Amino acid sequence: DTGVSQDPRHKITKRGQNVTFRCDPISEHNRLYWYRQTLGQGPEFLTYFQNEAQLEKSRLLSDRFSAERPKGSFSTLEIQRTEQGDSAMYLCASSQRTRRAYNEQFFGPGTRLTVL
Amino acid sequence: QQPVQSPQAVILREGEDAVINCSSSKALYSVHWYRQKHGEAPVFLMILLKGGEQKGHEKISASFNEKKQQSSLYLTASQLSYSGTYFCGTATAYSGAGSYQLTFGKGTKLSVIP
Repeated sequence: DTGVSQDPRHKITKRGQNVTFRCDPISEHNRLYWYRQTLGQGPEFLTYFQNEAQLEKSRLLSDRFSAERPKGSFSTLEIQRTEQGDSAMYLCASSQRTRRAYNEQFFGPGTRLTVL
Repeated sequence: QQPVQSPQAVILREGEDAVINCSSSKALYSVHWYRQKHGEAPVFLMILLKGGEQKGHEKISASFNEKKQQSSLYLTASQLSYSGTYFCGTATAYSGAGSYQLTFGKGTKLSVIP
């Protein structure tokens, strides 16, 4: 299967701890996105990479959140000093860059974070 | 600003048709439709671009009214497998510098019963 993969699928942590999630996009896709989804809501945009460059970051993203994509392939999302309000499903998506500005984004299975 | 989806929920019997609407108060460049089943990732269904280009699922159709900033997803002859929550994601005017984020609605829960 060559879809988007995410690791871990589930993470339970105590408030105040740091967590890191990994996303491996579809291999030929150079655009990568992170979203957060809470119960009953649609995915909420967090940040976007084109190759290794982080080109866009949501204003909603606090300083405790940081994302990297060091070699333009996999990406990591770190949350420092987690809070109970961070509990959510964290989704990664990737898309291919073409002449068209917008292309379909393919989502991974997500990492469900529970902060106790 | 988040697009508004309607209805919030709908129950269909197999074989019936449904329409799900998505509207925005902002000028849209594209509309993306996804279906998400409980506990799973959203699955891409359809993309509609300003100017009329479309790409998506063979058995699902959609429209994009650029003047009204609205899109509708048409599900015909529904099957049990169509059950799930449908989200529209909207992209506002393409700046050229690259604003690729999608803003998703709250979703429409579709339940197809035998």
